Amino acid sequence: GAVVSQHPSRVICKSGTSVKIECRSLDFQATTMFWYRQFPKQSLMLMATSNEGSKATYEQGVEKDKFLINHASLTLSTLTVTSAHPEDSSFYICSARDRGGANPGNTIYFGEGSWLTVV
Amino acid sequence: GEDVEQSLFLSVREGDSSVINCTYTDSSSTYLYWYKQEPGAGLQLLTYIFSNMDMKQDQRLTVLLNKKDKHLSLRIADTQTGDSAIYFCAESFAPNEKLTFGTGTRLTIIP
Repeated sequence: GAVVSQHPSRVICKSGTSVKIECRSLDFQATTMFWYRQFPKQSLMLMATSNEGSKATYEQGVEKDKFLINHASLTLSTLTVTSAHPEDSSFYICSARDRGGANPGNTIYFGEGSWLTVV
Repeated sequence: GEDVEQSLFLSVREGDSSVINCTYTDSSSTYLYWYKQEPGAGLQLLTYIFSNMDMKQDQRLTVLLNKKDKHLSLRIADTQTGDSAIYFCAESFAPNEKLTFGTGTRLTIIP
């Protein structure tokens, strides 16, 4: 099946610094990628929809200047958490949409997720 | 707005059937999904169902959809220790659109 890779899988950063998380589709082209955030023992909340070559669409309540999303190619989207604070510590998961997919079983693929800890 | 709810916990004896329930509010949802998340890992799509279907079976998994009551369930037959995970239901309007997830149900298998 299709593979979506996230990197890094775990990262610890100091408060006030920025950290970048990458989401790559390894064997398909993804015109759209989605970024989710998951707090411990809670559900996944959509943060933003990333479209290749254009600005991301952010969900209500998500600070676009804090969570910078770049989707510069058909296989890579990045999420940069700027000026990170301890409350940004969370599990971040991306999903990528295979533009060649036709049904739910071969359209959306999730990455393995990235644990961010801000100390 | 969209709202998807699940019970937070379910404990089942090994070998028994597990039934995980989900309710949603948006009647225009076209696709409904079940995802499995093992500790510290991403999401694995288990199965999905179109809103015009009542039931879908895939090996040990059976999905039931009651569109009138906006109720979705996942039955896992002959539950095994490897089934321990968090199970999320989700909905979308199209297969290539964003997903709205439920709160997740943590399934624990009792030996």
